[in-house]
Amino acid sequence: EAGVAQSPRYKIIEKRQSVAFWCNPISGHATLYWYQQILGQGPKLLIQFQNNGVVDDSQLPKDRFSAERLKGVDSTLKIQPAKLEDSAVYLCASSLEGLLSSYNSPLHFGNGTRLTVT
Amino acid sequence: GQQVMQIPQYQHVQEGEDFTTYCNSSTTLSNIQWYKQRPGGHPVFLIQLVKSGEVKKQKRLTFQFGEAKKNSSLHITATQTTDVGTYFCAGLTYSSASKIIFGSGTRLSIRP
Repeated sequence: EAGVAQSPRYKIIEKRQSVAFWCNPISGHATLYWYQQILGQGPKLLIQFQNNGVVDDSQLPKDRFSAERLKGVDSTLKIQPAKLEDSAVYLCASSLEGLLSSYNSPLHFGNGTRLTVT
Repeated sequence: GQQVMQIPQYQHVQEGEDFTTYCNSSTTLSNIQWYKQRPGGHPVFLIQLVKSGEVKKQKRLTFQFGEAKKNSSLHITATQTTDVGTYFCAGLTYSSASKIIFGSGTRLSIRP
């Protein structure tokens, strides 16, 4: 099966500029996640979609970050305006099902977008 | 907020030595997953543990889930250069808004 597709692979912008990332999950995967991974740290969940609805966005800085998954398939994450501290790798992941109380489907990650804000 | 901590942060071993990373959660977990991220790569799923006290093995890798479901460990026997990377645990929380929280990771490097 094809993996999670993300673009662009790299992006360099100046602070206060805008940027958008795109993600196409594995076909049939209901749940889509956006994670931010700062160098040397573990992935931090920004937002989680179940089909086209938001399940969790408690750690999304909503004053500058937005995300959508309009048709329940691909998704975009936008930052406007960007700050220096937004420099990170933005990882998209998908899983077959939503989170259950015991077993849950593994997350399949894309290659990520490495964002550098100067 | 809920946290998942891992120790050590870094481990540098001679090829053939064993390696262990420990994962501790501030709250009880529904289950725990382990991922491996190679340098420059993305996290790749290794295994999931669900039951209290569960132990699973994958060749030279042994995974354990604590009795209280608040800690876990990954042990690699006789490391090889292919084991290089960062190992993350990821815990699923017991709450009305279940989410997967990743640990801080343990980076393993190996001297040939």
